[in-house]
Amino acid sequence: DAGITQSPRHKVTETGTPVTLRCHQTENHRYMYWYRQDPGHGLRLIHYSYGVKDTDKGEVSDGYSVSRSKTEDFLLTLESATSSQTSVYFCAIRGPATEAFFGQGTRLTVV
Amino acid sequence: DQQVKQNSPSLSVQEGRISILNCDYTNSMFDYFLWYKKYPAEGPTFLISISSIKDKNEDGRFTVFLNKSAKHLSLHIVPSQPGDSAVYFCAASSVGSARQLTFGSGTQLTVLP
Repeated sequence: DAGITQSPRHKVTETGTPVTLRCHQTENHRYMYWYRQDPGHGLRLIHYSYGVKDTDKGEVSDGYSVSRSKTEDFLLTLESATSSQTSVYFCAIRGPATEAFFGQGTRLTVV
Repeated sequence: DQQVKQNSPSLSVQEGRISILNCDYTNSMFDYFLWYKKYPAEGPTFLISISSIKDKNEDGRFTVFLNKSAKHLSLHIVPSQPGDSAVYFCAASSVGSARQLTFGSGTQLTVLP
């Protein structure tokens, strides 16, 4: 199994509150990604990083920000959570190979 | 506009028979294709991949076929086993943009004993 850990695994939060999800890797891989999974949509890319302090937007980046201050950590922040951000969030990492490896996921519910 | 499409949300197959999962794509810049398998409450796990310079890649019971002219790929599982029951996602990537993956919506495979 790839050394990738997401925290928390489950979270319930109220509309309008800030939320930060953490992805931690022990593989020293350069690339890290945040995806969300929703019924009927598969996995959609939110943001990705290609190095420390190097990040870029994905397909569904509105309402999300990210930070990568260390190789091993990639944080996803919802500045003001909305019900439309209720989803399962997956972090992925990729080294020189083309396939990405995924974490266990974080189930976020915004009430 | 979905660039990667899996038109069958579900598929049921008898144990021991072949499972064929299909995927279509529209972006001609995609040059690498992957299949992931996902069990409930777990992250997707990488299954098999194929480069656009090939038309077939095999790994044990799993074979992926790529038809570039039709922009179509398929995953064959032979023989199917009950443990193969999961959601299968097709994904594609291209050079650049950190090789981000674009996923299809998934196909739920159920293998009946």
